[in-house]
Amino acid sequence: QLQLQESGPGLVKPSETLSLTCTVSGGSISSSSYHWGWFRQPPEKGLEWIGSINNSGSTYYSPSLKSRVTISVDTSENQFSLKLSSVTAADTAVYYCARYDSRGYTYFDYWGQGTLVTVSS
Amino acid sequence: DIQMTQSPSSLSASVGDRVTITCRAGRTISSYLNWYQQKPGKAPKLLIYAASSLQSGVPSRFSGSGSGTDFTLTISGLQPEDFATYYCQQTYSTPFTFGPGTKVDIK
Repeated sequence: QLQLQESGPGLVKPSETLSLTCTVSGGSISSSSYHWGWFRQPPEKGLEWIGSINNSGSTYYSPSLKSRVTISVDTSENQFSLKLSSVTAADTAVYYCARYDSRGYTYFDYWGQGTLVTVSS
Repeated sequence: DIQMTQSPSSLSASVGDRVTITCRAGRTISSYLNWYQQKPGKAPKLLIYAASSLQSGVPSRFSGSGSGTDFTLTISGLQPEDFATYYCQQTYSTPFTFGPGTKVDIK
């Protein structure tokens, strides 16, 4: 059974960089059939796609966050990561990682449990 | 960006009711439409992909329909575990966008 687990600091200071890692177990992150993505959900609000990466390292970012986001993959550790720079209180959210099947219609079928990141001094 | 809207934003229903949620895309997205269920404090769960395909393990009381710009999620015979928030998502083009959600609670 595939599992995804987010990890990283739960508290980040304003203007600093938020860094999260998603560890994939029960399957290989190198599979060409699947890509990987990051989402976030501010408290009591809806879901937002941050960006995605495929097994060859090609990335796709939300235009609203593109200037501050970097997503990378570490196949040796079966992990992928999110970095969001120059954070503000507006970046406080639960952050989720997820897998998506890209062989036809794109859909996100496996999700991590989510991790709350609070931006505060 | 493709804007997604949902209606209603919330609804109250009873166990056994048939519930229909509507999602509309700002422009045509073919059948690149997914439905997710989210319960408080939990990650979204994929219910329906490609507008009408039931994800493995999801009860058959959930169904989806539509193409182009207008889509529906139907729950035939609401169960206690179905009280949650439902989101549609388009994956026709990036940025992948979600509807604002429909909260289904107990009447």
